[in-house]
Amino acid sequence: QKEVEQNSGPLSVPEGAIASLNCTYSDRGSQSFFWYRQYSGKSPELIMFIYSNGDKEDGRFTAQLNKASQYVSLLIRDSQPSDSATYLCAVRDSARQLTFGSGTQLTVLP
Amino acid sequence: NAGVTQTPKFQVLKTGQSMTLQCAQDMNHNSMYWYRQDPGMGLRLIYYSASEGTTDKGEVPNGYNVSRLNKREFSLRLESAAPSQTSVYFCASSRDRDQETQYFGPGTRLLVL
Repeated sequence: QKEVEQNSGPLSVPEGAIASLNCTYSDRGSQSFFWYRQYSGKSPELIMFIYSNGDKEDGRFTAQLNKASQYVSLLIRDSQPSDSATYLCAVRDSARQLTFGSGTQLTVLP
Repeated sequence: NAGVTQTPKFQVLKTGQSMTLQCAQDMNHNSMYWYRQDPGMGLRLIYYSASEGTTDKGEVPNGYNVSRLNKREFSLRLESAAPSQTSVYFCASSRDRDQETQYFGPGTRLLVL
């Protein structure tokens, strides 16, 4: 059973702080890694993807990948109340199947 | 351009009843997917269609059937609903299986009594 693990939270950070979300995966053959944001009662939307080891930045978001440690993270700088949502980590494994973690609920306090 | 649409938005069924969830996309995507999402769990793939005319099982296919009616439409059928199928169902599409972005519909909330 290929697994994607996330801390369920909830994670609370004050407005303006850095939020750090973590994800580990079990399939060493995984090639592609995604972060989705899901507001309560809404559908998931893709915010970032990363393929290579290292960091990838997009505005206030940075994805970090370490394939040796089978670890991917998402940093949100200057967190805003509008960032309050559940963040889903997803991994495309060697069979091209997308497996989702259970999500981390983030609350940004004004 | 509506993206991915799903009907119905909400449905209540009695155990043993059948129903079909409808999904359509207007992005000319080749691949379509059905997921279910339960509290405390991530999205789990039920079935997918890599291209028109093909369907394949995902992680949790038991109790479901699918039909890729044409390039736009992909339906999910519950032949005999069970309380364990109470969930939120999401349809998604992507240009192809290797495209990094899957676009999700608004979801269908299903309650089976």
